[in-house]
Amino acid sequence: NAGVTQTPKFQVLKTGQSMTLQCAQDMNHEYMSWYRQDPGMGLRLIHYSVGAGITDQGEVPNGYNVSRSTTEDFPLRLLSAAPSQTSVYFCASSYSRGATDTQYFGPGTRLTVL
Amino acid sequence: QQPVQSPQAVILREGEDAVINCSSSKALYSVHWYRQKHGEAPVFLMILLKGGEQKGHEKISASFNEKKQQSSLYLTASQLSYSGTYFCGTEIRSSNTGKLIFGQGTTLQVKP
Repeated sequence: NAGVTQTPKFQVLKTGQSMTLQCAQDMNHEYMSWYRQDPGMGLRLIHYSVGAGITDQGEVPNGYNVSRSTTEDFPLRLLSAAPSQTSVYFCASSYSRGATDTQYFGPGTRLTVL
Repeated sequence: QQPVQSPQAVILREGEDAVINCSSSKALYSVHWYRQKHGEAPVFLMILLKGGEQKGHEKISASFNEKKQQSSLYLTASQLSYSGTYFCGTEIRSSNTGKLIFGQGTTLQVKP
């Protein structure tokens, strides 16, 4: 198993550009989520999904969109990048409910918005 | 809703003990603990699901006091490999959403 994979590893954007961060898992996990990590702020939940076709907002959803058309993939879209979105983004998955099951994290995407 | 961790940072010598606390203002359903090395992804340590539960992982153990809405992570006889940032994650009981919210992290540095 590859586990949780994320692409790209690094990305530089200009303000106003859009892009999609990819996340995929091959463990047949139902629950997937996106976090952003900033110094001193810990891991903040952006969006999460409890299964294909079902998504919901986390703590900091503004400026981000998600969809879950398959069990394996959970892409995160930045609609119009802003410098405040400069961060490290982690995707995570678990077999069942996020709160009661082990979370497996991807390697992260380091995003810089100029 | 973000749980509060204390202390923010700890510096230890090898062999010393440390306690990291995680508390919430709301009733909790579960508490997770993860460790993150610099430049890497967080890695699972343990989950505690019920009040009063205590779990162990090598020389790292944790307790969960449901009534006090807090959890503590105990690192005994620390090793250099314990260095990193520790995060607690919690689900608010009333939310029933299954989503996991993390604290701001506690940085642990173990020196020789």
